Amino acid sequence: RKEVEQDPGPFNVPEGATVAFNCTYSNSASQSFFWYRQDCRKEPKLLMSVYSSGNEDGRFTAQLNRASQYISLLIRDSKLSDSATYLCVAGGSGGYQKVTFGIGTKLQVIP
Amino acid sequence: DAGVTQSPTHLIKTRGQQVTLRCSPKSGHDTVSWYQQALGQGPQFIFQYYEEEERQRGNFPDRFSGHQFPNYSSELNVNALLLGDSALYLCASSPWIGSSVTSAGELFFGEGSRLTVL
Repeated sequence: RKEVEQDPGPFNVPEGATVAFNCTYSNSASQSFFWYRQDCRKEPKLLMSVYSSGNEDGRFTAQLNRASQYISLLIRDSKLSDSATYLCVAGGSGGYQKVTFGIGTKLQVIP
Repeated sequence: DAGVTQSPTHLIKTRGQQVTLRCSPKSGHDTVSWYQQALGQGPQFIFQYYEEEERQRGNFPDRFSGHQFPNYSSELNVNALLLGDSALYLCASSPWIGSSVTSAGELFFGEGSRLTVL
């Protein structure tokens, strides 16, 4: 079983739609969780941190469910510019700084 | 404020050769991590350097080695290249967080070095 699992997609959604991605992690001792965005042939960029209390940044909402060991990302009112691959990250177990990336979920927003 | 810079951006090698990739971290950052990203995959952790020492290592063979210099810049060396080493090699910098692992993963990536092994 992979440490961090994501549906690779692609998710094809119309502009203005709401789309949700889920990600599961296998290490229950993980302490840190993030979503990164990666455009085609570019480097990953930190999108947002994920907390149990939820984290909202404009149209983006991230949530952590420790009991079920999954992380979610909700994008409201999708824009064409949201088209990218979204990488789920979990780590920080055992006091270590190593983090594990998921395979990424590809989102394509269509006009 | 310069971000993370990597060189070279692209390179082509043949099997058995050796390669050195270079990284300069973002200003104010003292920790450098290296990742390998194969096509269609997520970044895979290779190792992390802080205070010129390898602090953590992922599941990569000894052919992968690194170094960090006093100015925090870093090199990744790969010996005896295999076809499967073809990938985007990403350098990520961050401040050293010690035991504050809840922020482990707040990384700034360079644009990467795209290695093709023929």
